[in-house]
Amino acid sequence: DVKVTQSSRYLVKRTGEKVFLECVQDMDHENMFWYRQDPGLGLRLIYFSYDVKMKEKGDIPEGYSVSREKKERFSLILESASTNQTSMYLCASSLTAPTGELFFGEGSRLTVL
Amino acid sequence: DQQVKQNSPSLSVQEGRISILNCDYTNSMFDYFLWYKKYPAEGPTFLISISSIKDKNEDGRFTVFLNKSAKHLSLHIVPSQPGDSAVYFCAASPYNNNDMRFGAGTRLTVKP
Repeated sequence: DVKVTQSSRYLVKRTGEKVFLECVQDMDHENMFWYRQDPGLGLRLIYFSYDVKMKEKGDIPEGYSVSREKKERFSLILESASTNQTSMYLCASSLTAPTGELFFGEGSRLTVL
Repeated sequence: DQQVKQNSPSLSVQEGRISILNCDYTNSMFDYFLWYKKYPAEGPTFLISISSIKDKNEDGRFTVFLNKSAKHLSLHIVPSQPGDSAVYFCAASPYNNNDMRFGAGTRLTVKP
């Protein structure tokens, strides 16, 4: 069965802390994505990766970075967390196009105090 | 600027009736459209999709309609069931490209 696993369901961090959100998929998918979900704004794409060590900026990359050292793992990094990064973070993976349905993890709810 | 728009934040229907959820998009490069369903505390799950070469795709109680000239798609659920109560996201991507964009979502409530 298809599985995307996010390491932490709930995190509470302080302003200025470095935050790592980990995501692992077991489907051998080429593509991996990080979205954040906020009320009234839906899912907004932060970064995506279509291959190991490759990354592309999405709509809202500011304040975030990513790492993809292995095909199955895609990490989202907040170098210095801020309160406006309090959100639900969703990781997803997909096969390469032409039509790649996204498979999502359960999400990581981050609160920055 | 959101490229995919769901202008109705919520919709309430009676069990057994039809639910119609709407979605508009602005990017003419979009060729593949999907609907996802999300329950609280879970990730979104894929529901149904349609490519731009079609104007309708049906899967059981769920039908998606695409009007390319109007840049509009809709999801019809017939008959609606209480278990359909969830947030529904519309998504779109260019063909042969996994850069997928989502709308803000519509919360559907189906009343018994």
